[in-house]
Amino acid sequence: SYVLTQPPSVSVPPGQTARITCGGKNIGSRNVHWYQQKPGQAPVVVVHDDSDRPSGIPERFSGSNSGDTATLTISRVEAGDEADYYCQVWDISGDQVFGGGTKLTVL
Amino acid sequence: QVTLKESGPSQVKSTQTLTLTCTVSGFSLTRDAACVSWVRQPPGKGLEWLALIERDDVKKYRTSLRTRLTISKDTSKSQVVLTVTNMNPGDTGTYYCVRGDTRFSAYDSWGQGLLVTVSS
Repeated sequence: SYVLTQPPSVSVPPGQTARITCGGKNIGSRNVHWYQQKPGQAPVVVVHDDSDRPSGIPERFSGSNSGDTATLTISRVEAGDEADYYCQVWDISGDQVFGGGTKLTVL
Repeated sequence: QVTLKESGPSQVKSTQTLTLTCTVSGFSLTRDAACVSWVRQPPGKGLEWLALIERDDVKKYRTSLRTRLTISKDTSKSQVVLTVTNMNPGDTGTYYCVRGDTRFSAYDSWGQGLLVTVSS
C-alpha cells in the first residue's frame, strides 16, 4: 500500500517560513491535499490539489508537489498557525491515504 | 451551508458491532456531486480513512478493514451509515463524517466528530 511520510514536528519562530514535507514514491504524479487540525477541532483543508487554496485560507499558505516530495509552505508564521498538519492522496488501490501528521510549533 | 453530523454510541464492548450515522444537510446525496467518507482518529494519533460512498452508490473500503466495514446511505433521510463489526479496543477513536466532490477531491466539510470508546 502507498505510504506518505511526514516529519513528526517542525518548529519555527513567528514571522519566519515553515515548510512541511510529505514524501511518497512519485507523489508528484498525484494530487495532494493538506489539512490543518487544531486541538479539539476537526481538520480543515488549507491546500487542495497540490497548490489550490480554498476561500478563506490566507495566502500565506501555499503548496507544491514534484518528484517524491510535496511541500506545504506557511509564510510569515503566526502563533495561530500552531497545529497538526496532514497530507492526503488518493491511491490507485482505492484507499485514501494520509500522512502521519506534522506538529507545527511556533517558538 | 453544508453540514454533517455524526451520531451513535459513545461506548461499545469488544466483539460488538458499531453503527454510526451521518446526517447531512446543504447538499443532496443523489443530485449533487458528493462523496461522503468516514475518517477516524485514535486518541493522540493521526487520521485514518475508512470508507466512502459516492452519488451513484459506488463504495470503497480501506483495504485492511474491508471485511469489517459496511457503508450505505438512506437518501430519504439524507443519511450515510457505517457499520464496523467485531470492535476491539484498537478501534477506539474519534469518527468523522466528511464530504468531498469526488473520491479524488479534498474533504471540504467535516462533521464535529464522535468519540467512540471500546472496552474489553
